[in-house]
Order: sequence, then C-alpha cells, then structure tokens
Amino acid sequence: EVQLVESGGGLVKPGGSLRLSCAASGFTFSTYSMNWVRQAPGKGLEWVSSISSSSNDRYYADSLKGRFTISRDNAKNTLFLQMNSLRAEDTAVYYCARTDCSAGNCYGFDYWGQGTLVTVSS
Amino acid sequence: DIQMTQSPSSLSASVGDRVTITCRASQGIRNDLGWYQQKPGKAPKRLIYAASSLQSGVPSRFSGSGSGTEFTLTISSLQPEDFATYYCLQHNSSPPWTFGQGTKVEIK
Repeated sequence: EVQLVESGGGLVKPGGSLRLSCAASGFTFSTYSMNWVRQAPGKGLEWVSSISSSSNDRYYADSLKGRFTISRDNAKNTLFLQMNSLRAEDTAVYYCARTDCSAGNCYGFDYWGQGTLVTVSS
Repeated sequence: DIQMTQSPSSLSASVGDRVTITCRASQGIRNDLGWYQQKPGKAPKRLIYAASSLQSGVPSRFSGSGSGTEFTLTISSLQPEDFATYYCLQHNSSPPWTFGQGTKVEIK
C-alpha cells in the first residue's frame, strides 16, 4: 500500500525556517517525481514545488521567490521541503504528492499524504 | 504560465441532480488535466486523469471530458457523499502546474 506521511510542521515566527519531511513507503520511491502542494486556511490548492526522481530537475512556484528548497533522499525514501524567510502568507497545510507517470506520460498526482500544518505567526 | 479558470465557484444541488463543473485553460494543454475531490480536513483524491479516464475505484457517475482548453467534470446523479470541493489540475509539459480555484458543491 502506498503511504506518504508528512511531518515537521508547526508554529514558527515570521522570518524563521522550517523543514518538512515526507516519508514514503509501499512503492519504489526512487523512480517517481514528487511534489509539494499547499492549502492556506479556507483557500484552494496551490502547487509549490516538484523534484524529479534523480533530483536533476527541480521546479518552484514563482510566488516562493527562492525561499523554499525541495530535496529528496532516495536511500531513505524521504522527500523534504526547506522553508526559509517564512511569512504569514505561507501559513497552510502542506501536502506531499506523488507524480503518476507511466510509459513516458504523466497524469498528475495519484497519491497524497495527510498534510502537515505550518503556522507562521508572532 | 498557464492559468486555469474554474466555474462555478460554488453550487447548490439536490441528491440525484446532474452536476457540471468547467475548467478553462489559458492555452492548450492537450488532455493533461485531472479532477480532484476534497472533503473537509482531508487530502485531495483524484477522480479523473488524462481529462476523461476514471480513476480506479471511483464511481462511474463521475465522468470527465474535453481537450485543449475546455474541460468538464460531470456527476450524473449526485449522491450524499459527493458533497465536497472539486479542483482541476493542469500538468501540461514542465511545471509550474496550476489548480483551478475550486468548486464547492453544497446541499440544496
């Protein structure tokens, strides 16, 4: 069974940093691209960042302006999101999600974690 | 970047009603679109991929159509468990990928 379990969320002051983790199991993690998606309280879904299976390609939402870094450890089946210079508007539930690809075609996100809440407040 | 315009933002419907939600892309995205259902406090769940393919385990009352810039999610006969918020997601080419604004389906 595919499982994605996020951790690392919490309360942080503006300007602070936080590192989120997503532990993956039930599939060959090293062969899948992975993603972070966030949802501010009462708002819609926002794609945040993606990383290829080998970490060669990394993409970020323009709104992040270089403050976040996505990474992964394929030996430990774990995805990370390093968040620096946090702002109140980064307050959200952060989900990790697997990219569904086969035979060279990709079909969005097929599995999601349960999310971890990040609250940026003084 | 590709923008997704989803409509309506909310709707009220009764059990048994036929419901249609639309997403429009700012440029052609072939069929690189999926539909997701989200219930309060839960992670999104994929219903449709490749614009019209039904995710395994999803009831057949859900269907998707469209290609290029216009896409539709249809629920043929709304059931009590379908009251939720629905999002489209375009994943054409390389990121950034974008979600529609969401459609909240409420009980009339």
